[in-house]
Amino acid sequence: DIQMTQSPSSLSASVGDRVTITCRASQSISSYLNWYQQKPGKAPKLLIYAASSLQSGVPSRFSGSGSGTDFTLTISSLQPEDFATYYCQQSYTEKTFGGGTKVEIK
Amino acid sequence: EVQLVESGGGLVKPGGSLRLSCAASGFTFSSYSMNWVRQAPGKGLEWVSSISSSSSYIYYADSVKGRFTISRDNAKNSLYLQMNSLRAEDTAVYYCARDEIRCTGGVCPHMDVWGKGTTVTVSS
Repeated sequence: DIQMTQSPSSLSASVGDRVTITCRASQSISSYLNWYQQKPGKAPKLLIYAASSLQSGVPSRFSGSGSGTDFTLTISSLQPEDFATYYCQQSYTEKTFGGGTKVEIK
Repeated sequence: EVQLVESGGGLVKPGGSLRLSCAASGFTFSSYSMNWVRQAPGKGLEWVSSISSSSSYIYYADSVKGRFTISRDNAKNSLYLQMNSLRAEDTAVYYCARDEIRCTGGVCPHMDVWGKGTTVTVSS
């Protein structure tokens, strides 16, 4: 089974900050990596698919990069509505989620 | 409007059974693979099961294999999850999610539409 490890598990940041979240796969998954945002009590929302493709309607301050085993989600300028938990997810073999990164207000 | 609506959650005793449903609307249900994803209280997301558009391919997480059965009825635009031998650790919000596989340059599965979830509580 493919394991997905996210870091950090939580972070504190201010509005306007640049935020980077990393995700590492236990084996190569090519670019089969997706990112989701989840707010408390709500369903997850797709942000990025295929490692770097922005889902329709998602603000351009969100971007993704990486391939193989190492991936990054970047928020270029954190906005108040971006405080949430972010999950990576591989779709190379079945599906596995990372443990999540909670982005909190500093 | 593209929509997924889950139902069937509730309180069940350990060892009991429950059947979840997910009603799809606003898109051609029979063209998409579908998934169940769950989230235990205060925990992260866990993929549970997937089913291809024609039910030819079915996959389960090890944690539910042999206890849960995914199925679909394309004529009714509905997805199901039959859960047997339920355990306390199955307590979670269960989401159904659509699998979009198309992207520039090939196939890249990603869950682009999610329902709001239904809550399953396993407790005596």
